[in-house]
Amino acid sequence: GQQLNQSPQSMFIQEGEDVSMNCTSSSIFNTWLWYKQDPGEGPVLLIALYKAGELTSNGRLTAQFGTTRKDSFLNISASIPSDVGIYFCAGSPSGSARQLTFGSGTQLTVLP
Amino acid sequence: EAGVAQSPRYKIIEKRQSVAFWCNPISGHATLYWYQQILGQGPKLLIQFQNNGVVDDSQLPKDRFSAERLKGVDSTLKIQPAKLEDSAVYLCASSSPTTRNSGANVLTFGAGSRLTVL
Repeated sequence: GQQLNQSPQSMFIQEGEDVSMNCTSSSIFNTWLWYKQDPGEGPVLLIALYKAGELTSNGRLTAQFGTTRKDSFLNISASIPSDVGIYFCAGSPSGSARQLTFGSGTQLTVLP
Repeated sequence: EAGVAQSPRYKIIEKRQSVAFWCNPISGHATLYWYQQILGQGPKLLIQFQNNGVVDDSQLPKDRFSAERLKGVDSTLKIQPAKLEDSAVYLCASSSPTTRNSGANVLTFGAGSRLTVL
């Protein structure tokens, strides 16, 4: 099956700093999704990407669908304490949720 | 709209015991998924239902795991007998197709049921 490598595994940043994380796949995807998971909760969708090269923003979050279709990036600008959580990428080669593969997550800690 | 409801939120059992988790999806969502999320990992799909039919259960350990969605609405996931390695959060999700990509589904997850097997 598909393998997703998500990095970094964890990040400690100061409030106000920008954050970048990425995912790479061993195979081509046609859908990339980025989720955030708070402690004790399920993942919540942040951004969905459906086209190579697509750049989509959601407030201070911006995600890009890599042009090779094997990677995706998430940037968070001007981090705030509520950005703390685990960020997951997920990709599907067919667009079907049945083939959705999740990365192992990036644990983000925002220091005051 | 109400979200995906799951219960119980927490369950502690001893190995070889059985456990059942319940999920009620978002109203109108025909597709329902059960995921297993082991600590430090991303969710892994166990089974997908479309209405009351199984679409994919290829990653469900069928010797001990079973799931049903008899009336096409809520669903139960059962583990019998449980093993230590079954300790995880069991997430239920539901979806409906988006209009942007006819094949793409966007999942809404419940809060999960955390299972600890001692």
